[in-house]
Amino acid sequence: AQSVTQLDSQVPVFEEAPVELRCNYSSSVSVYLFWYVQYPNQGLQLLLKYLSGSTLVKGINGFEAEFKKSETSFHLTKPSAHMSDAAEYFCAVRDDGGSQGNLIFGKGTKLSVKP
Amino acid sequence: EAGVVQSPRYKIIEKKQPVAFWCNPISGHNTLYWYLQNLGQGPELLIRYENEEAVDDSQLPKDRFSAERLKGVDSTLKIQPAELGDSAVYLCASSLAPGRSSGNTIYFGEGSWLTVV
Repeated sequence: AQSVTQLDSQVPVFEEAPVELRCNYSSSVSVYLFWYVQYPNQGLQLLLKYLSGSTLVKGINGFEAEFKKSETSFHLTKPSAHMSDAAEYFCAVRDDGGSQGNLIFGKGTKLSVKP
Repeated sequence: EAGVVQSPRYKIIEKKQPVAFWCNPISGHNTLYWYLQNLGQGPELLIRYENEEAVDDSQLPKDRFSAERLKGVDSTLKIQPAELGDSAVYLCASSLAPGRSSGNTIYFGEGSWLTVV
């Protein structure tokens, strides 16, 4: 069975400092990987996704993530945090059923940005 | 283009009362999902529809939860009777049909926030 582990429930950073949110997954088949962001009292918005091809994926708001199959990781990074980045971030995996598979989410990482 | 629309956004009810949530997916999206998100947790799938057929309802508590998507477009999720532990966010999402290049992206609505008192 697939699972997603987000290693940190909370990540505090200072404004303009780099951000790294960690995500590891377990799956016995090829996977598709996603990062979603959830702002307070809102639904989930897709940040970026890895389906195939280049393992370095760029998303919205300056975020990017690198798929490392050997490490079963898909960590989310940003060179410089903005106050507006404060939100909850969810990593998700979808199995090789591709379009037919369901999304399995991690428990989320709450990013706080201090001035 | 309109996104996934859910209503109501917020609902407060007393325990043992019924409640219903409505979802209208993105136009053309054949696949519709209902997810449950408890406080401090990631979303968990309740049910997935392909057109009007429920293809995965294994996580839906069928003793009190029901869902329908009669015409393969909008959908309703019902809880009857509600319990205190049902307080959560109910997220609706949609995607294109399997096999299409964009089908791997699931788009979420803003959620229906339920409080049971």
